[in-house]
This record gives sequence, structure tokens and C-alpha cells, in this order.
Amino acid sequence: AQTVTQSQPEMSVQEAETVTLSCTYDTSESDYYLFWYKQPPSRQMILVIRQEAYKQQNATENRFSVNFQKAAKSFSLKISDSQLGDAAMYFCAIRSGTYKYIFGTGTRLKVLA
Amino acid sequence: DAMVIQNPRYQVTQFGKPVTLSCSQTLNHNVMYWYQQKSSQAPKLLFHYYDKDFNNEADTPDNFQSRRPNTSFCFLDIRSPGLGDAAMYLCATSRSAGVADTQYFGPGTRLTVL
Repeated sequence: AQTVTQSQPEMSVQEAETVTLSCTYDTSESDYYLFWYKQPPSRQMILVIRQEAYKQQNATENRFSVNFQKAAKSFSLKISDSQLGDAAMYFCAIRSGTYKYIFGTGTRLKVLA
Repeated sequence: DAMVIQNPRYQVTQFGKPVTLSCSQTLNHNVMYWYQQKSSQAPKLLFHYYDKDFNNEADTPDNFQSRRPNTSFCFLDIRSPGLGDAAMYLCATSRSAGVADTQYFGPGTRLTVL
């Protein structure tokens, strides 16, 4: 069975600062993808960034980057130069072999002005 | 813009009164999913369609049914809503069921059961 664990229910960051959201996962599959989704209040969930497990290079997307540690089964999200619009619930997810996403329980990010 | 649309955004129903939630997509994706998300919890997959092929999760209650009359539309029917069914219901699509395929989510329908 696959699991995704987000150990930080809530995080706060000052505007313009950097924050890292943690995610660990467990899978026996060798081919899988990892995702970070953002769910702003009352708005739809959107993809922030994704990482292919067979790629060693960490994915980046503008101010968002990941630290993918395959051996440790860790997939953290770093948000640089935090903006008020980054305030949201962030979900880490894994997908392997089948259609199914396994989501973590989420981290609520607050951005302080 | 291509997108996933859910109607209504907010639905109130009475205990035991059937309710239908609607999802449509302009992405022309083959796969459509329904998730249930309760407050402060991860989305939980209820079922999905690959084209017209319906796939039910093992732990989805019989109270939940789905229909996909065509590529663009998918419906979630709750036959006899209980208080425990109050949640946000998310529709999502993906081009295929491949491991690399991203899911695109609608804004959700928040269901209240009185």
C-alpha cells in the first residue's frame, strides 16, 4: 500500500520569505510520480509542481522547487519569495502504476503581511 | 479556457433526499474522477470513469452512484444522503490513466445535509 504523510498541519511564513513544506511517502513501486497541489480557500485545486521518480534533478517552477530525496522517500516543497496569494492548503500526492492518486492530509500555509 | 466546471457550487439537501451533483469538462479528457473531501482531510477517491468504463473504489458506499452520459459530463448521485455525507465533492479529469498524467480539478460542490 502507498502512503503519503504531511506532518505539518499548518505553517506560517512572512511575505517575501522562504518556507519549506514537508512530505514523506512510501511505495514499493519503482515508477511513480510525485505532485504538489495547491487548494486556495473556496477555489479549485491546481497543480503546483510534479517530480518524476526516475529523474534525479529536482523540479522547479518559478518560485516553487522541490527537494526530492528518493532514498529517504522525502519530497518537500520550497516556496521562495512568498506572496499573499500563496496562502492555501497544500497537498502532496503520489501516483504509481494505476489511475489512483494518494494524497496526504495537507498543510495549511498562512502568509503574513 | 479549457476547464472543469461543477454545478452547483453549494448544494443543500435534506436527510434522505436524493441529490445529484454535476461536472462538465471542456478538456476532452478520457478519465473523470469523483472525490469526497471532508474538512481538513485529504480528498478520497470515490470512483472514476475511463471513457464509459466505470471503476468503483472498494470502500465507496452503495449510496453513491455515478453516470457519464458522454465525454463531457459526469454526475454524482447520492441516493439517500446522511449527515455523514456532508462534504466537498471534487470532480477531476485526466487525459488518460497513465502514471504521468496530471489531474485537473473543478472548484468543487459543497454539500450540506440538514
